[in-house]
Amino acid sequence: EAGVTQFPSHSVIEKGQTVTLRCDPISGHDNLYWYRRVMGKEIKFLLHFVKESKQDESGMPNNRFLAERTGGTYSTLKVQPAELEDSGVYFCASSRQTNTEAFFGQGTRLTVV
Amino acid sequence: DQQVKQNSPSLSVQEGRISILNCDYTNSMFDYFLWYKKYPAEGPTFLISISSIKDKNEDGRFTVFLNKSAKHLSLHIVPSQPGDSAVYFCAAKRDFNKFYFGSGTKLNVKP
Repeated sequence: EAGVTQFPSHSVIEKGQTVTLRCDPISGHDNLYWYRRVMGKEIKFLLHFVKESKQDESGMPNNRFLAERTGGTYSTLKVQPAELEDSGVYFCASSRQTNTEAFFGQGTRLTVV
Repeated sequence: DQQVKQNSPSLSVQEGRISILNCDYTNSMFDYFLWYKKYPAEGPTFLISISSIKDKNEDGRFTVFLNKSAKHLSLHIVPSQPGDSAVYFCAAKRDFNKFYFGSGTKLNVKP
């Protein structure tokens, strides 16, 4: 069974540009989470999908971030326009149910210059 | 406001000895706790979990202890091996809510 996969693994963009991150969860996992780790700090929650619906998006920093999960399969996280403070590692995770552990992807390292 | 804290950013242990990683939390409503292990350039990997109705869970060399009154969680690794060297994250959740993570403890097991 394939794990959670994220694309790209690295992205370097200039301030003001747009970047789209993609996450493919484990097949059959209805729950999909986006997290971010900035500057070696804690891994912070961004949002949670249950199938195609946003269950909780309380962690989204501002309206420059847009997450979608059309069809309840893969998800995208778009940052537009990117700012310097958006740099960090963006992790996607999925779980079959909400009361179990989540499986993480390898992360996308975003650097905004 | 960080609800899960790992106050030791790093820990160094000799191979064969016990590693003890600590975690404190503030939200008494958390009912499920997990430890994740992370190698460089990889995502966190689930290691072990414990429900709030228990105070200990063991899986091979890994044991997690939960002290609810102190709002404290610890991970014991015994015996420690060089391959255990990684960053360990403590995480907690409530009901069907999101995970809250600590900032991680970097464990170095010296041969």
